Amino acid sequence: AQTVTQSQPEMSVQEAETVTLSCTYDTSESDYYLFWYKQPPSRQMILVIRQEAYKQQNATENRFSVNFQKAAKSFSLKISDSQLGDAAMYFCAYRSAIWNAGNNRKLIWGLGTSLAVNP
Amino acid sequence: NAGVTQTPKFQVLKTGQSMTLQCAQDMNHEYMSWYRQDPGMGLRLIHYSVGAGITDQGEVPNGYNVSRSTTEDFPLRLLSAAPSQTSVYFCASNLLGSGGTEAFFGQGTRLTVV
Repeated sequence: AQTVTQSQPEMSVQEAETVTLSCTYDTSESDYYLFWYKQPPSRQMILVIRQEAYKQQNATENRFSVNFQKAAKSFSLKISDSQLGDAAMYFCAYRSAIWNAGNNRKLIWGLGTSLAVNP
Repeated sequence: NAGVTQTPKFQVLKTGQSMTLQCAQDMNHEYMSWYRQDPGMGLRLIHYSVGAGITDQGEVPNGYNVSRSTTEDFPLRLLSAAPSQTSVYFCASNLLGSGGTEAFFGQGTRLTVV
C-alpha cells in the first residue's frame, strides 16, 4: 500500500523569504501523480501544484515549484517570496495512475504541514 | 461556475440522530468521493462513486451510506450519529479516465456529535 509522509508538522517563514516543505512517499508503482494542496483557515482545499511521475521536469506554478526526485521518492514544495496569504496547512497527496475499477482516483494524503508566515 | 457545493458548513448532532450531508457538482465529473479529516489522521476516504448508480466503500465506510442517483449529486448519510463521527467532511469530484486531473473539493462540513 502506498503511504505519504510529511515530516514537518509545523514550519515558519519570514515574509518575502523562501521555504521548502518536505514530502516523501512509498510506492511500488512506476506511474502516478503527486499533488500539493493548500488548506487555509477557511477549510477550502486548493490545488497548488501537480506533478506527473513520468515527467522528469519539475512542475512550477508562479511562486510555487517542486523538487521531484523519483528514485528517492521525494516531492518537496518550494514557496518563493512568501506572502501572508500563504499561511495555511499544506498537504502532499499521491494518486495511482493505474486503472483499478475507478479507485485510481483515490488520493492518499500526508498529515500536513502547518505553515506560518511572519511579517 | 459553482464547482462542488457542499452543505451544511456546520452541524451539531446528538448521538443517535441521523442526517444527510449534501454534495453537488456542476462539472459533469463522473467520479465523486467523500473524505473525513481528523487531526493526526489526515484525510481518509469514506465512499466513492464512479458514476450514477455505482458506489463503493473506501477506507472508513462504517456508519455511513451513500447513493448516486444522478451525476451531479452524491449525498452522505449518517444513519445513527456517534461521537466518533465528529470530524470535518469533504466531498470531492474528478474526471475519470487517464490523466492526473485534480480533485475539486467542497468547502467542508464541520460535524460535531454530542
